[in-house]
Amino acid sequence: DIQMTQSPPSLSASLGDKVTITCQASQNINKYIAWYQQKPGKAPRLLIRYTSTLESGTPSRFSGSGSGRDYSFSISNVESEDIASYYCLQYVNLPLTFGSGTKLEIK
Amino acid sequence: QVKLLQSGAALVKPGASVKMSCKASGYTFTDYWVSWVKQSHGKSLEWIGEIYPNSGATNFNEKFKGKATLTVDKSTSTAYMELSRLTSEDSAIYYCTRGVEGDYWGQGVMVTVSS
Repeated sequence: DIQMTQSPPSLSASLGDKVTITCQASQNINKYIAWYQQKPGKAPRLLIRYTSTLESGTPSRFSGSGSGRDYSFSISNVESEDIASYYCLQYVNLPLTFGSGTKLEIK
Repeated sequence: QVKLLQSGAALVKPGASVKMSCKASGYTFTDYWVSWVKQSHGKSLEWIGEIYPNSGATNFNEKFKGKATLTVDKSTSTAYMELSRLTSEDSAIYYCTRGVEGDYWGQGVMVTVSS
């Protein structure tokens, strides 16, 4: 199974900050990584697929990049509505595997 | 619009089974894989497996083989997951999702295993 090492586990940011979350795969995943946002009591929501393709409705302040084993997800100009947990997912191989999550809090 | 509507919460006894549903609407049910994902309280997400409604083909995470059974009813555009021989470790929220990347998710089913 491909392991996805996600960091940091938690982030505290001020409104307007830029934050970055990283996921490192245990092997090359050829850009097959997606990023999700999960707010308390809600199902995850797909924000980005295939490393950097924004889903319809995903604000442009969200972005993704990376290649090979190393990937990052960023939020520029953090807003209060961005308070949530964020997860990466590799989908190049079965079983699909998620990162451990990052909880974003506002200072 | 695409919707995945899951069945309600379940309280089940240890050793029993539970079957939950995921009714799809707003798209052609047979065109997309349906995956199932487990989220234990306060923890990350685990992929259980997937089913292709058109053929009934399935793929499973080895960890859930023997635990989860996936089926579909094409006539009602509904996917089902049955979990067997339940223990406290199976207490969690279970989501169904559409497609490999999970572009749509159900609202989740909370399963509580308790005597």
